[in-house]
Amino acid sequence: GAVVSQHPSWVICKSGTSVKIECRSLDFQATTMFWYRQFPKQSLMLMATSNEGSKATYEQGVEKDKFLINHASLTLSTLTVTSAHPEDSSFYICSAYRGERTSYNEQFFGPGTRLTVL
Amino acid sequence: AQSVTQLGSHVSVSEGALVLLRCNYSSSVPPYLFWYVQYPNQGLQLLLKYTSAATLVKGINGFEAEFKKSETSFHLTKPSAHMSDAAEYFCAVRGKTSYDKVIFGPGTSLSVIP
Repeated sequence: GAVVSQHPSWVICKSGTSVKIECRSLDFQATTMFWYRQFPKQSLMLMATSNEGSKATYEQGVEKDKFLINHASLTLSTLTVTSAHPEDSSFYICSAYRGERTSYNEQFFGPGTRLTVL
Repeated sequence: AQSVTQLGSHVSVSEGALVLLRCNYSSSVPPYLFWYVQYPNQGLQLLLKYTSAATLVKGINGFEAEFKKSETSFHLTKPSAHMSDAAEYFCAVRGKTSYDKVIFGPGTSLSVIP
């Protein structure tokens, strides 16, 4: 199956700093990627849809100025958590579709990035 | 709007016993349905998916699920639980338009007792 990687797998930062998380599709091109956040013992909540070459679409309640998404190429999307605070500590997971826009295709998930803000 | 409910946030079964994890969806039209498994500190792995072909779907690791439109259900089963099945399981729904968002259920934590 298709492989989606994330880097770093875990990161610890101080409150007020910014953290960048990368999501890469390793063996396919992904015009659309998704970013999810998962708090402990909870389900995945969609944060935003990242579209190559255009602005991301954010879900209601997600601060676009705090969670900056850049999808500059067909294989890379980045999520930057700006001025991170302890409440931003979470597990961030990205996913990507492979295939033509007009056909059904499967969503592949990255392994996740554990962010801890001190 | 689509939504997913999973009855039972935690399920415990004995090794070798039947596994039944419940999932009900809400959608105006039959959607695509998925079951994912997540092991601690890892991403999601697709177990199986329903895409309006056969209503009984077989997946990996001996799991299967049956789509029942009349009950709006997509319950996950496995005849005999193995210790390695202990994990978090998520049911998810997606519309049939390309790139529709995937909506996840709250998850069910499965414990397997030796």
